[in-house]
Amino acid sequence: DAKTTQPPSMDCAEGRAANLPCNHSTISGNEYVYWYRQIHSQGPQYIIHGLKNNETNEMASLIITEDRKSSTLILPHATLRDTAVYYCIVRNTGGFKTIFGAGTRLFVKA
Amino acid sequence: GAVVSQHPSWVICKSGTSVKIECRSLDFQATTMFWYRQFPKQSLMLMATSNEGSKATYEQGVEKDKFLINHASLTLSTLTVTSAHPEDSSFYICSARGELAGGPYEQYFGPGTRLTVT
Repeated sequence: DAKTTQPPSMDCAEGRAANLPCNHSTISGNEYVYWYRQIHSQGPQYIIHGLKNNETNEMASLIITEDRKSSTLILPHATLRDTAVYYCIVRNTGGFKTIFGAGTRLFVKA
Repeated sequence: GAVVSQHPSWVICKSGTSVKIECRSLDFQATTMFWYRQFPKQSLMLMATSNEGSKATYEQGVEKDKFLINHASLTLSTLTVTSAHPEDSSFYICSARGELAGGPYEQYFGPGTRLTVT
């Protein structure tokens, strides 16, 4: 599975959009981009995933560049409860295991 | 949505004893389960992958005789930490891959078990 690069930490004001970038320049054609988050002392929570088209669900939007070498997770109106570590992962949907990188620690401030 | 449960949520044991952690998929049959370990302020580290009815596959550096994994059914996997030592104190998280009725084939994570060895 391809490796990803994320900034170690980011701040966001409550109510504003949080834009979390992820670089995955070695992604292969059949690999999807997945985003999970982990709130302190809890298990990871699935957020969203996509292949090449932009995706949106009730939690977030995922923007994938045309060359698929990077993506951005957007939380449209961040709340204090969105403070967590966000992990960007690339793998096949049939990919056998999920390997976590260091992730981005997002701090949402009042 | 999919639910993966773990029991216990936290456990304290004495050095030298063994501890068993259970992982259950509640809404679906999990053909594959994964066990992760997470130390404070670090990311999740995959320990092993298990398929129902088969022996687990351990990641490099993980002692298979120390971390015994049993995946006896499609809804239950157990991790036993044998002869636990203080350095085994960690947050253990299981994950299950399966398909919800009418839903995607995906990987779902449990809430984690915090183990403290004294």
